[in-house]
Amino acid sequence: SAVISQKPSRDICQRGTSLTIQCQVDSQVTMMFWYRQQPGQSLTLIATANQGSEATYESGFVIDKFPISRPNLTFSTLTVSNMSPEDSSIYLCSVEDVGQETQYFGPGTRLLVL
Amino acid sequence: GQQLNQSPQSMFIQEGEDVSMNCTSSSIFNTWLWYKQDPGEGPVLLIALYKAGELTSNGRLTAQFGITRKDSFLNISASIPSDVGIYFCAGHPGTYKYIFGTGTRLKVLA
Repeated sequence: SAVISQKPSRDICQRGTSLTIQCQVDSQVTMMFWYRQQPGQSLTLIATANQGSEATYESGFVIDKFPISRPNLTFSTLTVSNMSPEDSSIYLCSVEDVGQETQYFGPGTRLLVL
Repeated sequence: GQQLNQSPQSMFIQEGEDVSMNCTSSSIFNTWLWYKQDPGEGPVLLIALYKAGELTSNGRLTAQFGITRKDSFLNISASIPSDVGIYFCAGHPGTYKYIFGTGTRLKVLA
């Protein structure tokens, strides 16, 4: 399985600021995803990061709030913009290769917004 | 968004006991995955199921893909303290994304 790393692993941020989270994979993968996991909750898909084109966002998530980049097949970033305390969550990157239907997750980024 | 129902939501068990949990949906899925998430970590894939009726083991873990394709089960035999964590199921309906269960929180009493 792919080895996935995320930076930062955790951060404490002030309201109104933005944070960019990086996801790096040790091999080329077709699909990369970003999830949010609010405290004590399950995982909610934010968007699919598409290489070379705009990300595909799920209902309730918009590009202005969560801009995503994917410049190549091993790297993606998620920015949480104009943060509020409600954005305090774990943000997880995951990857999947087409045809395998198996998804692997990074270690997550723990965000606390004050 | 859409979620799968997992049962039980949480459970306390004695070390050495067997554990059963399940995941149900109103929709048909083509793939079922089971994950474990330890505190402060990302989910780790335990077992993947690809065919209705499939029974797959990974050490003390056994999972089954329900015949109706609307449910899946995970069993842990002879539980040990490191089995503590949150177990998530995930179903793939054949589209680009997975639907995640609500989670089962397992606590093992030594």
